[in-house]
Amino acid sequence: SQTIHQWPATLVQPVGSPLSLECTVEGTSNPNLYWYRQAAGRGLQLLFYSVGIGQISSEVPQNLSASRPQDRQFILSSKKLLLSDSGFYLCAWSVWDSSGNTIYFGEGSWLTVV
Amino acid sequence: QKEVEQNSGPLSVPEGAIASLNCTYSDRVSQSFFWYRQYSGKSPELIMSIYSNGDKEDGRFTAQLNKASQYVSLLIRDSQPSDSATYLCAVTRGVTGRRALTFGSGTRLQVQP
Repeated sequence: SQTIHQWPATLVQPVGSPLSLECTVEGTSNPNLYWYRQAAGRGLQLLFYSVGIGQISSEVPQNLSASRPQDRQFILSSKKLLLSDSGFYLCAWSVWDSSGNTIYFGEGSWLTVV
Repeated sequence: QKEVEQNSGPLSVPEGAIASLNCTYSDRVSQSFFWYRQYSGKSPELIMSIYSNGDKEDGRFTAQLNKASQYVSLLIRDSQPSDSATYLCAVTRGVTGRRALTFGSGTRLQVQP
């Protein structure tokens, strides 16, 4: 069965520091990968999605970047964090099949920028 | 107009009652529809998906889709306190469109014992 791992689970970072969140998927190949962010009390905002290695689409202009160095690895980064980057970050994967494009989420990473 | 709209709630129902959660979407090209449940502090988990007009049942859950009205709903029968969570509606286009899900802000459900 497919599993998705995301880390770290929580982190507290000072303003201006770098960020790296990592996500890996097991049990599938060539998945679509996604990074979502959920601010406190808000809905899920799509940040990036990727349909293949090195292929990254950005949904909104922001202080973040994403990379996909391997088929099942997705990394979210920032060179200098802002207070507004605080939130719950979720990696997700999907594969097109007869049921459509169902998305499954990792456990999430809580980021607090102080 | 938001792409996916949900009443934020809270929707409060007594234990054993039917909870009805509603969602409207603006993109007529949308073809796939999903309901996720999110407990406080946790990531969303998929409850069910629906692609065709009509009803789809899975245990205590029934999803209803009306593409002409751009409306999708989730019914939870015999509601339990453990169903208390935020329910997220999500939509996506078909194969030719953007594959990511667009989420509503969610409806908070409270099931009173």
